[in-house]
Amino acid sequence: EIVMTQSPATLSVSPGERATLSCRASQSVSSNLAWYHQKPGQAPRLLIYGASTRATGVPARFSGSGSGTEFTLTISSLQSEDFAVYYCQHYTNWPPLTFGGGTKVEIK
Amino acid sequence: EVQLVQSGAEVKKPGQSLKISCKGSGYSFTNYWIGWVRQMPGKGLEWMGIIYPGDSDTRYSPSFQGQVTISADKSISTAYLQWSSLKASDTAMYYCVRPSSSWFYFDYWGQGTLVTVSS
Repeated sequence: EIVMTQSPATLSVSPGERATLSCRASQSVSSNLAWYHQKPGQAPRLLIYGASTRATGVPARFSGSGSGTEFTLTISSLQSEDFAVYYCQHYTNWPPLTFGGGTKVEIK
Repeated sequence: EVQLVQSGAEVKKPGQSLKISCKGSGYSFTNYWIGWVRQMPGKGLEWMGIIYPGDSDTRYSPSFQGQVTISADKSISTAYLQWSSLKASDTAMYYCVRPSSSWFYFDYWGQGTLVTVSS
């Protein structure tokens, strides 16, 4: 089973600032990596797939990078609606498909 | 428009059985996998398993194999998640999810079904 580890667990950021979230895989997942965010009381929403491709309707302030075992999600200028929990997920060599533990982005 | 509409919240006692549903619309139900994700209270996301309604090919996470049953009725475009004997630890929000056509990231999510198991 591929284990996904996200850091930090909590990130405190001021509105308008840049946020950088990390996701590490226990073995290579190539570029088969997706990012989601989840706001309280809502289902998760796909942001990024293929490590760096934005899903339909996702604002350009969200960008993903990385391949192999190290991945980054960057939010260039945090808006109020971006304060949420962010998850990464690999989709290679499954089952199982696995998610990271999440990073909570909170208002500083 | 693709939609996944799940059945409503359930409150059950330990030992009872339960089957929750997820109805897909706006796409060809038999041509896409459909799966389930668990989220325990205050916790992260856990992939449980997935089914291909076209031929009922089903894959489970080892963590959930033998604990739940995933099925689908393609005649009514509905997937199911079933327990034969619930435990308090099954209390969680359950989401149905649809991957893309080629890769197993989830671009569509149901609204979630809250299952509460309590004596």
